[in-house]
Amino acid sequence: LAKTTQPISMDSYEGQEVNITCSHNNIATNDYITWYQQFPSQGPRFIIQGYKTKVTNEVASLFIPADRKSSTLSLPRVSLSDTAVYYCLVVLSGGFKTIFGAGTRLFVKA
Amino acid sequence: DAGVIQSPRHEVTEMGQEVTLRCKPISGHNSLFWYRQTMMRGLELLIYFNNNVPIDDSGMPEDRFSAKMPNASFSTLKIQPSEPRDSAVYFCASSFYQGGGEQYFGPGTRLTVT
Repeated sequence: LAKTTQPISMDSYEGQEVNITCSHNNIATNDYITWYQQFPSQGPRFIIQGYKTKVTNEVASLFIPADRKSSTLSLPRVSLSDTAVYYCLVVLSGGFKTIFGAGTRLFVKA
Repeated sequence: DAGVIQSPRHEVTEMGQEVTLRCKPISGHNSLFWYRQTMMRGLELLIYFNNNVPIDDSGMPEDRFSAKMPNASFSTLKIQPSEPRDSAVYFCASSFYQGGGEQYFGPGTRLTVT
């Protein structure tokens, strides 16, 4: 499985757009990029998943360049409730083995 | 659907005792995962099942840990004997095997071994 690297922490203010970038240099052809969010005392929650280019849902957007060696999770207009840990994972198509890294701790300030 | 259900939510036990954690996956999901989360080691995948069959248990830390899935709606993770270093939050997650690996996590069981 491809190893992922993402910043340990980020700070932002309410109403700003937040972009969290993840590196996955060894991503394989059949791998998907998946992002999870985890609040304190809760299990991780799936946010978004993509293979290439751009994916958007009601929560976030995921940008993946052509070489797929990195990806960027974009959270539009964050609020205090978006304070959480965000994990980037590379998952083999079929989705069994999932390796969570340390994640990015996002702190949104008023 | 109620989501993934785990019990108990909290467990405090003494070293040497047997601990059994329980999980009910989301109906219709055919893959189940057990994770352990600590501050030091983060979120670790212990074992996963597909169609009730264990696929990979390479994450199980020691022989003291065992997991079973007797049917599609129930799984257990057992620690016998428990040790203080097993203290952690244990999560169960389930997914529908269709590629990509979107998993739905339960609320977790916080285990404290004294």
